[in-house]
Amino acid sequence: DAGVTQSPTHLIKTRGQHVTLRCSPISGHKSVSWYQQVLGQGPQFIFQYYEKEERGRGNFPDRFSARQFPNYSSELNVNALLLGDSALYLCASSFRRQDGNQPQHFGDGTRLSIL
Amino acid sequence: AQKVTQAQTEISVVEKEDVTLDCVYETRDTTYYLFWYKQPPSGELVFLIRRNSFDEQNEISGRYSWNFQKSTSSFNFTITASQVVDSAVYFCALSEASGSNYQLIWGAGTKLIIKP
Repeated sequence: DAGVTQSPTHLIKTRGQHVTLRCSPISGHKSVSWYQQVLGQGPQFIFQYYEKEERGRGNFPDRFSARQFPNYSSELNVNALLLGDSALYLCASSFRRQDGNQPQHFGDGTRLSIL
Repeated sequence: AQKVTQAQTEISVVEKEDVTLDCVYETRDTTYYLFWYKQPPSGELVFLIRRNSFDEQNEISGRYSWNFQKSTSSFNFTITASQVVDSAVYFCALSEASGSNYQLIWGAGTKLIIKP
């Protein structure tokens, strides 16, 4: 079975542009979470979606948005890119809505570089 | 506020040595969950273990073992007879059952280098 898949693998953008990152969860998983991981740090929670609704949001500006589709795949959108948005963006899926107890399964991430 | 501290930024040992990665957490909740994840150079985070706050039994899985001590708010991870393939960044994470986001709070990670 395929794991969590993310696309693209790498992306280079310039300041002010916008970007869309995509994630396909493990088949049967209905919850998707997004994390930002800056080099040398642990991941920071951005969003959680379950059954196509936002269920949690981390401390990120409104430039960050996301959505989940009927097939449970998800997109993360970032507008007006800043140099500080350069990071590895990780998507994680789990079968049920995150209740704190479930291990999440992570994709390989999208490495976003802002020039 | 919840917090996870991994004081060891980087550890380097020779293959076959035992190594312990430290994790100290802070939480006001009585019900919480602790996790360890491994992140190899490829970037994917690999789930290793989950422990809830009511289960203080230590766990062993092959060469991996975990020591959970509520009295010291620690959840340490030991690799016995380390191998080069164990080289990775290891993260400890905390999740509180009462949190509205049920998000994981991550430590900064410990980079483990196993030299042949």
